[in-house]
Amino acid sequence: GAVVSQHPSWVICKSGTSVKIECRSLDFQATTMFWYRQFPKQSLMLMATSNEGSKATYEQGVEKDKFLINHASLTLSTLTVTSAHPEDSSFYICSASKTTWEAFFGQGTRLTVV
Amino acid sequence: LAKTTQPISMDSYEGQEVNITCSHNNIATNDYITWYQQFPSQGPRFIIQGYKTKVTNEVASLFIPADRKSSTLSLPRVSLSDTAVYYCLVGDMSSGGYQKVTFGTGTKLQVIP
Repeated sequence: GAVVSQHPSWVICKSGTSVKIECRSLDFQATTMFWYRQFPKQSLMLMATSNEGSKATYEQGVEKDKFLINHASLTLSTLTVTSAHPEDSSFYICSASKTTWEAFFGQGTRLTVV
Repeated sequence: LAKTTQPISMDSYEGQEVNITCSHNNIATNDYITWYQQFPSQGPRFIIQGYKTKVTNEVASLFIPADRKSSTLSLPRVSLSDTAVYYCLVGDMSSGGYQKVTFGTGTKLQVIP
């Protein structure tokens, strides 16, 4: 199947700093990518829809100024957590689709803010 | 978006067939049903998708009754490596619509030796 890769797999940062997470579709072009957040023992929660060449669409309750999304090419979307705080510590996952019916997920990024 | 309901957890012994049922009473005409598997600290992995009746692939079968208000994922002869959380998702296959789905609670399957 298609491959979606996230980088880094895990990151530890100090409170108040910013962290960038990359999501790449390695063998296909993805006009749309999605970003999810998952807290321990909870389900995935959709944060935003990343559209190539346009602004991202954020779900209700997600601060767009805190979670900056850039989808500059058909194979790359980035999520930047700005001024991170311990409560932002979570597992962040992106997904992209090669077709309209099957979404491929990245391996996830574990963010720990200390 | 149709809401889904699954059992929170299930236990099964190795070698047994496991059936996980998902309820989606408000499924729409254009909605498809998809199941994903997620291991700890990994992204979900596509297992199977269907619209009605029965779908089978190399890893699982999906049974969907005529009213489509529920679906059952069947895993034949599970092994310890099948221990994971299984999510049932329902969504429209139209462009851009399907992937934007809401993940339910999922079913945590524990396979016992």
